[in-house]
Amino acid sequence: EAQVTQNPRYLITVTGKKLTVTCSQNMNHEYMSWYRQDPGLGLRQIYYSMNVEVTDKGDVPEGYKVSRKEKRNFPLILESPSPNQTSLYFCASSYTPQGQPQHFGDGTRLSIL
Amino acid sequence: QQQVKQSPQSLIVQKGGISIINCAYENTAFDYFPWYQQFPGKGPALLIAIRPDVSEKKEGRFTISFNKSAKQFSLHIMDSQPGDSATYFCAARGSTLGRLYFGRGTQLTVWP
Repeated sequence: EAQVTQNPRYLITVTGKKLTVTCSQNMNHEYMSWYRQDPGLGLRQIYYSMNVEVTDKGDVPEGYKVSRKEKRNFPLILESPSPNQTSLYFCASSYTPQGQPQHFGDGTRLSIL
Repeated sequence: QQQVKQSPQSLIVQKGGISIINCAYENTAFDYFPWYQQFPGKGPALLIAIRPDVSEKKEGRFTISFNKSAKQFSLHIMDSQPGDSATYFCAARGSTLGRLYFGRGTQLTVWP
């Protein structure tokens, strides 16, 4: 089954404790992206990658890191999480390098205390 | 600065009625306008999309109307069903490849 898999689905952690949210796709897609979804704000793009070893900033990259060492994986790293990063995070992928259409994972809900 | 403005924030429609969600943008370099549907606990899923050289696109009960001169586009859901109850997001692809800008979403409730 074609899918984008995120782990963990839920995480409660504390300020400053480094965490990684993994994202993996099994569709051999070139493009991958991370978004955060906050009530009343819609989805905002954090980082995206159009190919292996190529990453670019979206609207809200501050406090996040990404890497794209292999095609199928695109982890999101929070080096020193803060409460304002409490949010619902989505990973997406696309077979076109332009990034459309996008297939989304089912989300990771992060709570940072 | 919100690149894509979406309204209304919430919408309640009777079963069988027409649901209309509107979006507006300023950047004329946007070249692709998708709509996504999201159910609780799930990620957004592509519903329908349009390019700016087309004024209307229809897929089943879902229609996008696009007004390039007004920089507006809208989603019409005909014969709305309770199963259509979800959050809908409009979006626009930016001039920089890979960038996608979302509206703030519309929570649609269809009453039986």
